Amino acid sequence: QITLKESGPTLVKPTQTLTLTCTFSGFSLSTSGVGVGWIRQPPGKALEWLALIYWNNDKRHSPSLKSRLTITKDTSKNQVVLTLTNMDPVDTATYYCAHSYCFTTRCNRDFDYWGQGTLVTVSS
Amino acid sequence: EIVLTQSPGTLSLSPGERATFSCRASQSVTSTYLAWYQQKPGQAPRLLIYGASSRATGIPDRFRGSGSGADFTLTISRLEPEDFAIYYCQYYGGSPPGWTFGRGTKVEIK
Repeated sequence: QITLKESGPTLVKPTQTLTLTCTFSGFSLSTSGVGVGWIRQPPGKALEWLALIYWNNDKRHSPSLKSRLTITKDTSKNQVVLTLTNMDPVDTATYYCAHSYCFTTRCNRDFDYWGQGTLVTVSS
Repeated sequence: EIVLTQSPGTLSLSPGERATFSCRASQSVTSTYLAWYQQKPGQAPRLLIYGASSRATGIPDRFRGSGSGADFTLTISRLEPEDFAIYYCQYYGGSPPGWTFGRGTKVEIK
């Protein structure tokens, strides 16, 4: 059974750096084809993809946020960490991590399992 | 950058009715990488359809995805009370490759 859970601060001040951790179980990020992504959703608004890291440490970032984003993995701890620098009130959102995979049997680049999300508010 | 435009923004229907909504890409895309999600208030999105037309595990057959090129459709044949939610389409691709979501269609009870 695949599960993911986001953790991190619920409140950050403008200009601070946000660090979020996704802790997962039921799969390994050392398995070929597996990836973990981050998606956020401002209150009442649509989903926005942020970044994704693959089993081989290949990384993808949203072009609009690339300069502020870092994504890393700790395979031994089953964790993926996202950092977002220079936080602004517009970054207030629920942040989700999600599982994706690309195997020879199925490679559709969707997110089939999601964490429950964590709400991060940016305010002084 | 590929933009996904979902329409309508809101659909007001009654249980038992058929729901049809659209996801239009700004250019022709590979249907392999087109997915649909359902999101209920306070919950994470749930994958419904991948590859434009394949139902994800456990998704009832009243959900049907179709389309190709730049036009994709999600149809719910008969709305159940639990189907009132927001539906998002998502595409993987572009240069450099990344994930894009539409702005969603809300299905509300009439």
